[in-house]
Amino acid sequence: DTGVSQDPRHKITKRGQNVTFRCDPISEHNRLYWYRQTLGQGPEFLTYFQNEAQLEKSRLLSDRFSAERPKGSFSTLEIQRTEQGDSAMYLCASSLAAQGYGGYTFGSGTRLTVV
Amino acid sequence: SQQGEEDPQALSIQEGENATMNCSYKTSINNLQWYRQNSGRGLVHLILIRSNEREKHSGRLRVTLDTSKKSSSLLITASRAADTASYFCATALGTSGSRLTFGEGTQLTVNP
Repeated sequence: DTGVSQDPRHKITKRGQNVTFRCDPISEHNRLYWYRQTLGQGPEFLTYFQNEAQLEKSRLLSDRFSAERPKGSFSTLEIQRTEQGDSAMYLCASSLAAQGYGGYTFGSGTRLTVV
Repeated sequence: SQQGEEDPQALSIQEGENATMNCSYKTSINNLQWYRQNSGRGLVHLILIRSNEREKHSGRLRVTLDTSKKSSSLLITASRAADTASYFCATALGTSGSRLTFGEGTQLTVNP
């Protein structure tokens, strides 16, 4: 386990369809984050988990978005009834809370294109 | 609006020159971090500086933090073509420090 894995790398979907992304964090990391990044912008926070508890959600996370981390390991991010504005790179990151406010390890992201 | 704002938005230099990027933020922070992102890839953590630190070094990187001016700078010395990437500052706020707020980034191009 050398890093954070995200699947799929790319997803093209039709407007109105549901999509689900998966993130596998570094195994010993108890914190997991989801960010969204549009072209030319910095990542925007969506939500984060400590173990299986979802501790914070951004107002960017509309009711069409849901994230889970059922066993405190991998996480899924689902977008229902996708819209063209959902097209972005979805980034997952993990960190170890015991290390204090340390840096995150990011995955390579899932690029979503809604057509 | 973004908490962190980088300046300049784009920087083009020759290999061997130094590159300096600046970041300003608006609220009190616990720490400030710099990340690099190659095109279409995830972000790589470069360096973290805590609010009670003023300067930190890591290899060819030097970061400064001025909490009175709410600003930070990232200096890359003796740049290489492989340093070409986008660089983002990110701030961790408040007591939890969990959420990072990113700026819009500086696109650095190092020409061989």
